[in-house]
Amino acid sequence: AQSVSQHNHHVILSEAASLELGCNYSYGGTVNLFWYVQYPGQHLQLLLKYFSGDPLVKGIKGFEAEFIKSKFSFNLRKPSVQWSDTAEYFCAVNKDNAGNMLTFGGGTRLMVKP
Amino acid sequence: KAGVTQTPRYLIKTRGQQVTLSCSPISGHRSVSWYQQTPGQGLQFLFEYFSETQRNKGNFPGRFSGRQFSNSRSEMNVSTLELGDSALYLCASSPGTPLYEQYFGPGTRLTVT
Repeated sequence: AQSVSQHNHHVILSEAASLELGCNYSYGGTVNLFWYVQYPGQHLQLLLKYFSGDPLVKGIKGFEAEFIKSKFSFNLRKPSVQWSDTAEYFCAVNKDNAGNMLTFGGGTRLMVKP
Repeated sequence: KAGVTQTPRYLIKTRGQQVTLSCSPISGHRSVSWYQQTPGQGLQFLFEYFSETQRNKGNFPGRFSGRQFSNSRSEMNVSTLELGDSALYLCASSPGTPLYEQYFGPGTRLTVT
């Protein structure tokens, strides 16, 4: 069965530190890849997505992610985090021809200390 | 544009009862997906409806069912509730294909006692 792994469950950073959150998936076919964020008390919202083309995708709020097909990875990065980035981050995979069905990773809780 | 709305927001039920949750998608969106979120299992896909037809189904028992109406509103039903069904149930709507962003609602917090 397809699975999505996020290696870091909890991350604590100071403001201005760089962020990289890992995401690996197990499905070998064509996939669409997503990062979602859930700020405290708010809905899940889309940060960025990859369908095809340039494997380096940019999203909202200065986030970017790189798709490395050979490593089945889609890591999220931000060069300099802010206190307002404190949230839970979810990687998700959608198999081609599977409608809108998303398989989510377990999530990473990020705390940014001011 | 109004977002995805889910009702009720909170619900307490007893084991063995059944429950119906409702989701109103963003106007014009034809796809509605349901997810269960728990601390132990994370976010798990339940099912997706598109134009009143179930398009995908996750790995949940038959006690979990859903439907979609002609106005795209969707309901999910859980029969014979178990303690393990306590969770946040999220609904997401989309115009159709994964090329479009899915918008998530605030969820319904179900507690089974």
